[in-house]
Amino acid sequence: GAVVSQHPSWVICKSGTSVKIECRSLDFQATTMFWYRQFPKQSLMLMATSNEGSKATYEQGVEKDKFLINHASLTLSTLTVTSAHPEDSSFYICSALPIAGASYNEQFFGPGTRLTVL
Amino acid sequence: GQNIDQPTEMTATEGAIVQINCTYQTSGFNGLFWYQQHAGEAPTFLSYNVLDGLEEKGRFSSFLSRSKGYSYLLLKELQMKDSASYLCAVMDSNYQLIWGAGTKLIIKP
Repeated sequence: GAVVSQHPSWVICKSGTSVKIECRSLDFQATTMFWYRQFPKQSLMLMATSNEGSKATYEQGVEKDKFLINHASLTLSTLTVTSAHPEDSSFYICSALPIAGASYNEQFFGPGTRLTVL
Repeated sequence: GQNIDQPTEMTATEGAIVQINCTYQTSGFNGLFWYQQHAGEAPTFLSYNVLDGLEEKGRFSSFLSRSKGYSYLLLKELQMKDSASYLCAVMDSNYQLIWGAGTKLIIKP
């Protein structure tokens, strides 16, 4: 089946530092990847849609200068949380949409990255 | 606005059957998904419905009524490992997933 990896799986950083999270589709190509954030006991909140070779589309209320997204290839998208603060502590999940294969638009999820900002 | 409603929490007994309901109001409809999410993990795909009716997959079944904006996930022969959150999500006209808050299912022996 389609596999999506994320790295790192968890990270602890000091307030003010930047953190980069990678999302890779391992056995398929994805023109579109999604970045979600999930706070405890809440559902997934879409942050942005990442399209290979073009600028990401951010959801309302998500600061594009704070959450930098780069989708440089058909198998890799990165999310950089710049100048992270404790309120950015959350579970970040990416998903990838295969170019072809599934008969419906099923997103394959990465395992998530737990970010803790001290 | 777009809205997905599902119960916050449900409790069921091992070996029993449980039905988790989901109602939705979205701008456009390109299918409804059910995902299972264990604590601290990413969601895993369970089912997809785009036409009215029941889709059965082993112990899990999912039903959709587009005219009523309603779906349910039916879990049979419950096992302790089924304790998790179950997320209902609808794909809107822009092919984006709109997520419900999830239903935490607690299985008791």
